[in-house]
Amino acid sequence: EAQVTQNPRYLITVTGKKLTVTCSQNMNHEYMSWYRQDPGLGLRQIYYSMNVEVTDKGDVPEGYKVSRKEKRNFPLILESPSPNQTSLYFCASSLDPSGRVPSTDTQYFGPGTRLTVL
Amino acid sequence: AQSVTQLGSHVSVSEGALVLLRCNYSSSVPPYLFWYVQYPNQGLQLLLKYTSAATLVKGINGFEAEFKKSETSFHLTKPSAHMSDAAEYFCAVSPANTDKLIFGTGTRLQVFP
Repeated sequence: EAQVTQNPRYLITVTGKKLTVTCSQNMNHEYMSWYRQDPGLGLRQIYYSMNVEVTDKGDVPEGYKVSRKEKRNFPLILESPSPNQTSLYFCASSLDPSGRVPSTDTQYFGPGTRLTVL
Repeated sequence: AQSVTQLGSHVSVSEGALVLLRCNYSSSVPPYLFWYVQYPNQGLQLLLKYTSAATLVKGINGFEAEFKKSETSFHLTKPSAHMSDAAEYFCAVSPANTDKLIFGTGTRLQVFP
């Protein structure tokens, strides 16, 4: 089954304790992205990657890191989490055969990771 | 900067009534436009998208949207609401010549029996 998976689905942690949220897709997609969803703010892009070893900042990258060592995986790293990073996080992927991502292509979303930082 | 505005954070309709969810974008060049739906405790899934072909776009579950350049709008409609349509709906814009997808703040649709 074609899908985007995220782990963990729920996480409660404390300020300053490094954590990683994994994201994996099995559709051989070039483009992957991380979003955070907050009430009244919609989804905001954190980082995205157009291919292996190519990553770029989205609209709210502060406090986050990513890596893209393999095509299928795009982990989100919080080196020193703070309470304002409490949010619902979504990973997404898409394939753009025209090479112009992600404008016309459908993004497939993972089920979300609900993170609470105390 | 490119942006998308969804008017109304909450919309309530009766089952069988018309659904109208509003979306306006700001762009000097027509962008690509999307509507995504998020059911409770799930990720987002695509309803429909406009990519400069036909201005009236049909999507899944009986939804459709019309791109109106003169009004910079891309409103989502469904003639007859069903209880299963209750969800949060997001309009998104991908400005021309960029690799970004910008989401609106979402509209929560409630459907009453």
